[in-house]
Amino acid sequence: GAVVSQHPSWVICKSGTSVKIECRSLDFQATTMFWYRQFPKQSLMLMATSNEGSKATYEQGVEKDKFLINHASLTLSTLTVTSAHPEDSSFYICSARDSGREPYEQYFGPGTRLTVT
Amino acid sequence: AQSVAQPEDQVNVAEGNPLTVKCTYSVSGNPYLFWYVQYPNRGLQFLLKYITGDNLVKGSYGFEAEFNKSQTSFHLKKPSALVSDSALYFCAVRDSGGSYIPTFGRGTSLIVHP
Repeated sequence: GAVVSQHPSWVICKSGTSVKIECRSLDFQATTMFWYRQFPKQSLMLMATSNEGSKATYEQGVEKDKFLINHASLTLSTLTVTSAHPEDSSFYICSARDSGREPYEQYFGPGTRLTVT
Repeated sequence: AQSVAQPEDQVNVAEGNPLTVKCTYSVSGNPYLFWYVQYPNRGLQFLLKYITGDNLVKGSYGFEAEFNKSQTSFHLKKPSALVSDSALYFCAVRDSGGSYIPTFGRGTSLIVHP
């Protein structure tokens, strides 16, 4: 149980285009999902916290107009990178909290490798 | 405020030898502590957690960690390392009385040599 999926697992796009990444909790309901960014050989950088049915809370320094987050249902959150540039190339990981279990763990998706050319 | 430190960027160990990956933390209240492992181009996998109770926590794949309140540490250990244990390991902490968002350490790369 407690599986989180991400789609796509990798994507290559041209500079200036937008890319949408989906994060789904497959066997539980997630009132809260998190989006992280990870640079090579570095730790996770929390970008934003999304709560189902409400606006996401962005961490300082993260452009909310560039990284659009939507958490429209208890099992799906999306991250859209708008007008992508090469510096947006990174590994994006989502995680989810199971609202039906003890509120201790986060379950992570497998990540999405974004390359902007 | 909460913080976590992983003082070693990389740990090298020979296969069959015991391994330790260090983690120290700082929280205002009681800590919830976690270890995760990340294989290349993958998300994080949960290994184990300390919430309350026994200081020695056993987790997945033969890993264990010992909560030491006086030293504010939560080192990850395994009695006999495998080459397949080579990966990036993250320690995370959350203050039980604070935000539900954990803080992650910078990660430690474990390399197990055959």
